[in-house]
Amino acid sequence: EVQLVESGGGLVQPGGSLSLSCAASGFRFSSYWMHWVRQAPGKGLVWVAQINPNGRTTTYADSVKGRFTISRDNAKSTLYLQMNSLRAEDTAVYYCGSTFAYPWAFDMWGQGTMVTVSS
Amino acid sequence: QSALTQPASVSGSPGQSITISCTGSSSDIGAYNYVSWYQQHPGKAPKLMIYDVSNRPSGVSNRFSGSKSGNTASLTISGLQAEDEADYYCCSYTSSSTPHFGTGTKVTVL
Repeated sequence: EVQLVESGGGLVQPGGSLSLSCAASGFRFSSYWMHWVRQAPGKGLVWVAQINPNGRTTTYADSVKGRFTISRDNAKSTLYLQMNSLRAEDTAVYYCGSTFAYPWAFDMWGQGTMVTVSS
Repeated sequence: QSALTQPASVSGSPGQSITISCTGSSSDIGAYNYVSWYQQHPGKAPKLMIYDVSNRPSGVSNRFSGSKSGNTASLTISGLQAEDEADYYCCSYTSSSTPHFGTGTKVTVL
């Protein structure tokens, strides 16, 4: 079964750091672009970051550039998001997603992990 | 870059057809045929309903159809059913080589 499972969410103070993971199974993880997408409570989906299959090319939304780092370990079939200098506006459910079968269409999503930035 | 613009809400009675618009620019929807649509029920992850403007993934009902004209894409749901009540998001590839989501539309089945 093709599956993405996020972990690592939780409560963190403003200015703090948090690392999210996304474990992939059931497909050749090393062959696909991977993304992080977030959704603030009651708000819409917002693309956060992407990484190419070999991990050498990354792109970020302006709102997280310089604070967040996306990475991957293809040997472990795991995607990561290191989040530093967190702000209240980073509070959201974070989903990992992949354009598995179709270019630029997210056909695979994790269940999401909640990140709350609050003092 | 601003989010793609969608109506906040659309409603219809069971059996009717509704259309959700998604307006972008010549740097996203107008430039590429990489428009996708997602359905999201409360507390759930999004689900891909349409890819590449008008294609349905396997398993998605043929009541869902997509189209594009200029800088605006549209999702039509025909034969509206109670289970279609959800939030819907469009998404387009952009000239920045990144995806961009729409503002989202809440569909209500009356």
